[in-house]
Amino acid sequence: DIVMTQSPDALAVSLGERATINCKSSQSVLYRSNNRDYLAWYQQKPGQPPKLLIYWASTRASGVPDRFSGSGSGTDFTLTISSLQAEDVAVYYCQQYYFTQYTFGQGTRLEIK
Amino acid sequence: EVQLVESGGGLIQPGRSLRLSCTTSGFTFGDYTMSWFRQAPGKGLEWVGFIRGTSYDGTTEYATSMKGRVTISRDDSKSIAYLQMNSLKTEDTAVYFCTRPLRGITGAFDIWGQGTMVTVAS
Repeated sequence: DIVMTQSPDALAVSLGERATINCKSSQSVLYRSNNRDYLAWYQQKPGQPPKLLIYWASTRASGVPDRFSGSGSGTDFTLTISSLQAEDVAVYYCQQYYFTQYTFGQGTRLEIK
Repeated sequence: EVQLVESGGGLIQPGRSLRLSCTTSGFTFGDYTMSWFRQAPGKGLEWVGFIRGTSYDGTTEYATSMKGRVTISRDDSKSIAYLQMNSLKTEDTAVYFCTRPLRGITGAFDIWGQGTMVTVAS
Protein backbone atom coordinates (compact mmCIF):
# COMPACT_ATOMS: atom_id res chain seq x y z
CA ASP A 1 0.00 0.00 0.00
CA ILE A 2 1.06 3.59 -0.57
CA VAL A 3 1.87 5.30 2.73
CA MET A 4 0.83 8.94 3.02
CA THR A 5 2.65 11.05 5.60
CA GLN A 6 1.50 14.53 6.55
CA SER A 7 3.41 17.25 8.32
CA PRO A 8 3.00 18.79 10.75
CA ASP A 9 0.59 16.78 12.90
CA ALA A 10 -0.78 20.00 14.34
CA LEU A 11 -0.55 23.63 13.35
CA ALA A 12 -1.60 26.90 14.96
CA VAL A 13 -1.92 29.96 12.72
CA SER A 14 -3.20 33.47 13.38
CA LEU A 15 -6.37 34.65 11.68
CA GLY A 16 -5.61 36.12 8.28
CA GLU A 17 -2.24 34.38 8.06
CA ARG A 18 -1.16 31.59 5.71
CA ALA A 19 -1.42 27.94 6.70
CA THR A 20 0.60 25.26 4.91
CA ILE A 21 0.16 21.51 5.25
CA ASN A 22 2.46 19.02 3.57
CA CYS A 23 1.79 15.49 2.34
CA LYS A 24 4.33 12.99 1.11
CA SER A 25 3.53 9.69 -0.57
CA SER A 26 5.78 6.62 -0.42
CA GLN A 27 5.38 6.17 -4.19
CA SER A 28 4.60 8.56 -6.99
CA VAL A 29 0.89 9.14 -7.58
CA LEU A 30 1.51 10.79 -10.95
CA TYR A 31 -0.08 8.82 -13.77
CA ARG A 32 2.11 9.62 -16.72
CA SER A 33 -0.39 8.70 -19.43
CA ASN A 34 -2.65 11.61 -18.49
CA ASN A 35 -0.14 13.69 -16.47
CA ARG A 36 -2.46 13.78 -13.48
CA ASP A 37 -1.63 13.38 -9.80
CA TYR A 38 -4.15 11.15 -8.08
CA LEU A 39 -4.21 13.13 -4.85
CA ALA A 40 -7.09 14.70 -2.94
CA TRP A 41 -7.42 16.87 0.16
CA TYR A 42 -10.28 16.79 2.66
CA GLN A 43 -11.38 18.94 5.57
CA GLN A 44 -13.13 17.37 8.55
CA LYS A 45 -14.79 19.28 11.35
CA PRO A 46 -15.83 17.62 14.63
CA GLY A 47 -18.89 15.43 14.31
CA GLN A 48 -19.03 15.84 10.54
CA PRO A 49 -17.99 13.68 7.59
CA PRO A 50 -15.00 14.80 5.54
CA LYS A 51 -15.49 17.45 2.89
CA LEU A 52 -13.61 17.24 -0.41
CA LEU A 53 -11.52 20.36 -0.98
CA ILE A 54 -9.08 19.49 -3.76
CA TYR A 55 -8.69 16.70 -6.32
CA TRP A 56 -6.11 16.07 -9.04
CA ALA A 57 -3.75 17.67 -6.50
CA SER A 58 -4.76 21.22 -7.46
CA THR A 59 -8.38 21.35 -8.67
CA ARG A 60 -10.76 22.92 -6.19
CA ALA A 61 -14.00 21.09 -5.63
CA SER A 62 -17.26 22.89 -6.28
CA GLY A 63 -18.01 25.61 -3.76
CA VAL A 64 -14.60 25.56 -2.08
CA PRO A 65 -13.31 29.09 -1.38
CA ASP A 66 -10.33 30.19 -3.46
CA ARG A 67 -8.21 30.74 -0.34
CA PHE A 68 -7.70 26.95 -0.48
CA SER A 69 -5.13 25.78 -3.01
CA GLY A 70 -3.24 22.58 -3.70
CA SER A 71 0.13 22.13 -5.32
CA GLY A 72 2.84 19.58 -5.90
CA SER A 73 3.40 16.52 -8.05
CA GLY A 74 4.77 13.00 -7.88
CA THR A 75 5.36 12.37 -4.19
CA ASP A 76 5.26 15.80 -2.53
CA PHE A 77 2.14 17.89 -2.12
CA THR A 78 0.98 20.97 -0.26
CA LEU A 79 -2.36 22.36 0.84
CA THR A 80 -2.29 26.10 1.42
CA ILE A 81 -4.90 28.29 3.05
CA SER A 82 -3.90 31.79 2.02
CA SER A 83 -5.72 33.72 4.73
CA LEU A 84 -6.96 31.65 7.65
CA GLN A 85 -10.58 32.15 8.69
CA ALA A 86 -12.15 30.98 11.95
CA GLU A 87 -14.28 28.44 10.10
CA ASP A 88 -11.14 26.71 8.75
CA VAL A 89 -10.39 25.13 12.13
CA ALA A 90 -10.52 21.43 11.31
CA VAL A 91 -8.46 18.34 10.64
CA TYR A 92 -7.10 18.09 7.10
CA TYR A 93 -6.32 14.83 5.30
CA CYS A 94 -4.58 14.02 2.05
CA GLN A 95 -5.61 10.87 0.18
CA GLN A 96 -4.15 9.04 -2.79
CA TYR A 97 -6.34 7.34 -5.37
CA TYR A 98 -3.58 6.17 -7.69
CA PHE A 99 -4.02 2.64 -6.38
CA THR A 100 -7.43 1.27 -5.48
CA GLN A 101 -6.11 0.54 -1.99
CA TYR A 102 -6.96 4.16 -1.20
CA THR A 103 -4.92 5.53 1.68
CA PHE A 104 -4.95 8.71 3.75
CA GLY A 105 -2.41 10.72 5.64
CA GLN A 106 -2.72 10.66 9.42
CA GLY A 107 -4.31 14.11 9.45
CA THR A 108 -3.18 17.61 10.43
CA ARG A 109 -5.08 19.48 13.11
CA LEU A 110 -5.32 23.19 12.32
CA GLU A 111 -6.09 25.65 15.11
CA ILE A 112 -6.15 29.40 15.62
CA LYS A 113 -3.14 30.91 17.35
CA GLU B 1 -30.46 16.86 -3.75
CA VAL B 2 -27.96 14.04 -3.51
CA GLN B 3 -28.21 12.20 -0.19
CA LEU B 4 -26.57 9.20 1.43
CA VAL B 5 -27.96 7.86 4.69
CA GLU B 6 -26.21 5.06 6.56
CA SER B 7 -28.04 2.80 8.97
CA GLY B 8 -27.61 -0.45 10.81
CA GLY B 9 -24.95 0.50 13.32
CA GLY B 10 -25.10 -0.15 17.04
CA LEU B 11 -23.56 -2.18 19.82
CA ILE B 12 -22.59 -5.70 18.86
CA GLN B 13 -20.59 -8.46 20.51
CA PRO B 14 -17.22 -9.60 19.21
CA GLY B 15 -17.45 -12.44 16.70
CA ARG B 16 -20.91 -11.47 15.50
CA SER B 17 -21.91 -10.18 12.07
CA LEU B 18 -23.52 -6.91 11.05
CA ARG B 19 -24.91 -5.46 7.84
CA LEU B 20 -24.88 -1.72 7.26
CA SER B 21 -27.03 -0.03 4.65
CA CYS B 22 -26.46 3.12 2.64
CA THR B 23 -29.73 4.47 1.27
CA THR B 24 -29.24 6.96 -1.52
CA SER B 25 -31.30 9.45 -3.46
CA GLY B 26 -30.92 12.27 -5.95
CA PHE B 27 -28.68 10.60 -8.54
CA THR B 28 -28.54 7.62 -10.91
CA PHE B 29 -27.27 5.06 -8.43
CA GLY B 30 -26.30 2.40 -10.96
CA ASP B 31 -23.85 4.74 -12.66
CA TYR B 32 -21.62 5.14 -9.60
CA THR B 33 -19.03 3.17 -7.71
CA MET B 34 -19.98 3.27 -4.02
CA SER B 35 -17.30 3.16 -1.35
CA TRP B 36 -17.27 2.56 2.39
CA PHE B 37 -14.83 4.17 4.80
CA ARG B 38 -14.47 4.02 8.54
CA GLN B 39 -13.03 6.16 11.30
CA ALA B 40 -12.21 4.79 14.73
CA PRO B 41 -12.86 7.19 17.64
CA GLY B 42 -10.27 9.97 17.59
CA LYS B 43 -8.43 8.38 14.67
CA GLY B 44 -7.99 8.95 10.95
CA LEU B 45 -9.85 7.75 7.89
CA GLU B 46 -9.57 4.23 6.50
CA TRP B 47 -10.96 2.95 3.22
CA VAL B 48 -12.91 -0.30 3.60
CA GLY B 49 -13.81 -1.11 0.02
CA PHE B 50 -16.02 -0.34 -2.94
CA ILE B 51 -18.43 -1.81 -5.43
CA ARG B 52 -18.31 -0.60 -9.00
CA GLY B 53 -21.39 0.68 -10.73
CA THR B 54 -23.59 -1.83 -12.44
CA SER B 55 -23.10 0.20 -15.61
CA TYR B 56 -19.52 -1.06 -15.43
CA ASP B 57 -19.26 -4.54 -13.98
CA GLY B 58 -20.39 -4.28 -10.35
CA THR B 59 -17.18 -5.86 -9.09
CA THR B 60 -15.71 -5.20 -5.67
CA GLU B 61 -12.37 -4.24 -4.15
CA TYR B 62 -11.52 -4.41 -0.47
CA ALA B 63 -8.85 -3.09 1.83
CA THR B 64 -6.20 -5.71 2.39
CA SER B 65 -6.72 -5.42 6.16
CA MET B 66 -10.38 -6.35 5.87
CA LYS B 67 -10.45 -8.76 2.94
CA GLY B 68 -12.25 -11.99 3.81
CA ARG B 69 -14.35 -10.41 6.57
CA VAL B 70 -16.34 -7.87 4.57
CA THR B 71 -18.63 -8.00 1.58
CA ILE B 72 -20.05 -5.00 -0.24
CA SER B 73 -23.15 -5.41 -2.35
CA ARG B 74 -25.74 -3.23 -4.00
CA ASP B 75 -29.41 -3.25 -4.90
CA ASP B 76 -29.86 -0.87 -7.81
CA SER B 77 -33.65 -1.27 -7.73
CA LYS B 78 -33.63 0.30 -4.26
CA SER B 79 -30.54 2.55 -4.69
CA ILE B 80 -28.95 0.97 -1.62
CA ALA B 81 -25.40 -0.17 -0.97
CA TYR B 82 -24.60 -2.66 1.78
CA LEU B 83 -21.57 -3.48 3.91
CA GLN B 84 -21.63 -6.93 5.47
CA MET B 85 -19.04 -7.40 8.21
CA ASN B 86 -18.33 -10.77 9.79
CA SER B 87 -16.29 -11.96 12.76
CA LEU B 88 -16.33 -8.47 14.23
CA LYS B 89 -13.46 -7.44 16.50
CA THR B 90 -13.22 -4.69 19.07
CA GLU B 91 -10.87 -2.86 16.72
CA ASP B 92 -13.72 -2.61 14.18
CA THR B 93 -15.34 -0.04 16.47
CA ALA B 94 -15.72 3.04 14.29
CA VAL B 95 -18.03 5.38 12.45
CA TYR B 96 -18.73 3.86 9.04
CA PHE B 97 -19.33 6.22 6.11
CA CYS B 98 -20.60 5.48 2.65
CA THR B 99 -19.51 7.78 -0.14
CA ARG B 100 -20.08 8.63 -3.75
CA PRO B 101 -17.19 9.84 -5.89
CA LEU B 102 -17.00 12.73 -8.27
CA ARG B 103 -18.41 11.75 -11.64
CA GLY B 104 -15.64 10.19 -13.69
CA ILE B 105 -13.13 10.19 -10.81
CA THR B 106 -13.65 6.98 -8.87
CA GLY B 107 -11.23 7.81 -6.08
CA ALA B 108 -12.17 11.37 -5.02
CA PHE B 109 -15.27 11.56 -2.87
CA ASP B 110 -17.48 14.62 -2.83
CA ILE B 111 -20.61 13.10 -1.29
CA TRP B 112 -20.49 11.50 2.18
CA GLY B 113 -23.20 10.25 4.46
CA GLN B 114 -23.25 11.33 8.10
CA GLY B 115 -22.02 7.90 9.15
CA THR B 116 -23.28 5.16 11.44
CA MET B 117 -21.49 4.17 14.63
CA VAL B 118 -20.54 0.55 15.18
CA THR B 119 -19.39 -0.41 18.66
CA VAL B 120 -17.96 -3.88 19.09
CA ALA B 121 -17.87 -4.79 22.76
CA SER B 122 -18.94 -7.54 25.09
